[in-house]
Amino acid sequence: DAGVIQSPRHEVTEMGQEVTLRCKPISGHDYLFWYRQTMMRGLELLIYFNNNVPIDDSGMPEDRFSAKMPNASFSTLKIQPSEPRDSAVYFCASSPQGIGNQPQHFGDGTRLSIL
Amino acid sequence: GEDVEQSLFLSVREGDSSVINCTYTDSSSTYLYWYKQEPGAGLQLLTYIFSNMDMKQDQRLTVLLNKKDKHLSLRIADTQTGDSAIYFCAQKGGSGGSYIPTFGRGTSLIVHP
Repeated sequence: DAGVIQSPRHEVTEMGQEVTLRCKPISGHDYLFWYRQTMMRGLELLIYFNNNVPIDDSGMPEDRFSAKMPNASFSTLKIQPSEPRDSAVYFCASSPQGIGNQPQHFGDGTRLSIL
Repeated sequence: GEDVEQSLFLSVREGDSSVINCTYTDSSSTYLYWYKQEPGAGLQLLTYIFSNMDMKQDQRLTVLLNKKDKHLSLRIADTQTGDSAIYFCAQKGGSGGSYIPTFGRGTSLIVHP
């Protein structure tokens, strides 16, 4: 089975540009998560969706960040305008529904560099 | 709040055992996980333990859970250079039955030949 697929794997762009990160979760998973990983802050949860509906976006750093999930197989994280401090690795993860042992499955991440 | 704490670095010699420690604050956690992150990759689930267990063994991996002290450890026997990675501890199912895991900062394991 295919895992969580993220694109692009690497993105280098100049500050002020719009950046769009993409994620395809594992089919059948009801939860989708966006994380950001930096040396300074570790792994931060930005936002998560349940059945395509945003549930908690309290981790989104500021209004420049937005996330959408138009259907069960696709999500985007957009930064507009981008700033150098947004440079990080962004991970998407998905998990099935339920309170049982349903661990998250992570994509390989998008390494974002804002110059 | 729900916090998970880990030391940031651990250095061991190849062939020795590694012990990575984690403490958490939410005593009502139901599942505790260990994830491994290799360079350039995402986090992969390594193993987990349910809160009614105090030990779980899986080949070279041993997980110990001390619920009283809210302490979780991961022991890797006969550590190999391929075990060099960042190891994340995570808890789930705490207060309110949260489905959302809380991750530690990760421990970088460095294995010397």
